[in-house]
Amino acid sequence: GAVVSQHPSWVICKSGTSVKIECRSLDFQATTMFWYRQFPKQSLMLMATSNEGSKATYEQGVEKDKFLINHASLTLSTLTVTSAHPEDSSFYICSAGGGSRNEQFFGPGTRLTVL
Amino acid sequence: GNSVTQMEGPVTLSEEAFLTINCTYTATGYPSLFWYVQYPGEGLQLLLKATKADDKGSNKGFEATYRKETTSFHLEKGSVQVSDSAVYFCALSNSGGSNYKLTFGKGTLLTVNP
Repeated sequence: GAVVSQHPSWVICKSGTSVKIECRSLDFQATTMFWYRQFPKQSLMLMATSNEGSKATYEQGVEKDKFLINHASLTLSTLTVTSAHPEDSSFYICSAGGGSRNEQFFGPGTRLTVL
Repeated sequence: GNSVTQMEGPVTLSEEAFLTINCTYTATGYPSLFWYVQYPGEGLQLLLKATKADDKGSNKGFEATYRKETTSFHLEKGSVQVSDSAVYFCALSNSGGSNYKLTFGKGTLLTVNP
């Protein structure tokens, strides 16, 4: 299958700072990328869908000004958690799909801890 | 809206035991159904899928049949191995394509002991 990477794999930051997480499709062009959030022992909750070159579509209840998503190229999407607070601590997962691939491919996730 | 309910774990089995993980769903229309697997330290991988009623998805000895009458997509394997230890997620999408969002169940942790 295709490879999707995330960077960093884990990050610890102070409250009030911003954190950027990258999601890259390494061997295919992803027209659509998805960002999920996963709490311990919980399901993956979709945060937003981003299409290359256009604004992301956010799910209900997700603050778009807090979780900034950029999908500037067919191989890279970024999620920036602005002014992070401890309640933003979570596991963030991206997936990529599109083109001839009739399947979404998931990144390994990024563990964010806000102190 | 769409929702997926799967049996809560953890599930612990001995090698070569039979596995069933139940999954039921609520959706409008005719969704596509998926099982994903997440091995320790790795991202989710598609295990199998079915896109219409009565379809059977299969892969690596795992099977699941799309049952519209019971809105279910239970995962089964006749003889599990230690290497099957992972978290399994049932999911649905309003389309089988890769550009459509997935709704996931909470995941079921499976541990297979030798």
